[in-house]
Amino acid sequence: ETGVTQTPRHLVMGMTNKKSLKCEQHLGHNAMYWYKQSAKKPLELMFVYSLEERVENNSVPSRFSPECPNSSHLFLHLHTLQPEDSALYLCASSQAPDRTNIQYFGAGTRLSVL
Amino acid sequence: SQKIEQNSEALNIQEGKTATLTCNYTNYSPAYLQWYRQDPGRGPVFLLLIRENEKEKRKERLKVTFDTTLKQSLFHITASQPADSATYLCASMDSNYQLIWGAGTKLIIKP
Repeated sequence: ETGVTQTPRHLVMGMTNKKSLKCEQHLGHNAMYWYKQSAKKPLELMFVYSLEERVENNSVPSRFSPECPNSSHLFLHLHTLQPEDSALYLCASSQAPDRTNIQYFGAGTRLSVL
Repeated sequence: SQKIEQNSEALNIQEGKTATLTCNYTNYSPAYLQWYRQDPGRGPVFLLLIRENEKEKRKERLKVTFDTTLKQSLFHITASQPADSATYLCASMDSNYQLIWGAGTKLIIKP
């Protein structure tokens, strides 16, 4: 157990559906991240929340909408996704400020968009 | 742009031998480099961090080096075991203090 839990582990959705991914961390960290991981590609940082405020949004399409109600919980709301959005979505947490930025990951949600 | 590159080809190593993986960075000088292990269907797990002023870092059978002249880090696993088979990711902080990642190298240890 890494201390970061993601649900669901697998998700299949149509292009018109709305769904949400959930992440919870039990490490007492105050920064949380959403990453997208596609096969044979580096992890792509999508969103960063530090002290519950969004500090980074790497030009992610608006069909992805993050929410961070407190330092332990992070959501990624999905709507009208495209097939190219199929990937592994990873949540991570770290302690900020920390110059090393060592991150702890959940097991991910494998998303398939039909 | 700041970039990290890892060998995309899978590395096949005989059990008991030393596995060496490479991480190269371009267009910046990171203060730290990190190595993670990722198993299929799981998230990455942090293994080791090395600072720019450290030449070498060890943890049990793992050793990491950092060569700022070559702009490269090497990750070694000695006395490799089939259980070491996984994808190994290299990461470092960019100028915005966020991690940028290599695509990872898949390591296969054959019995």
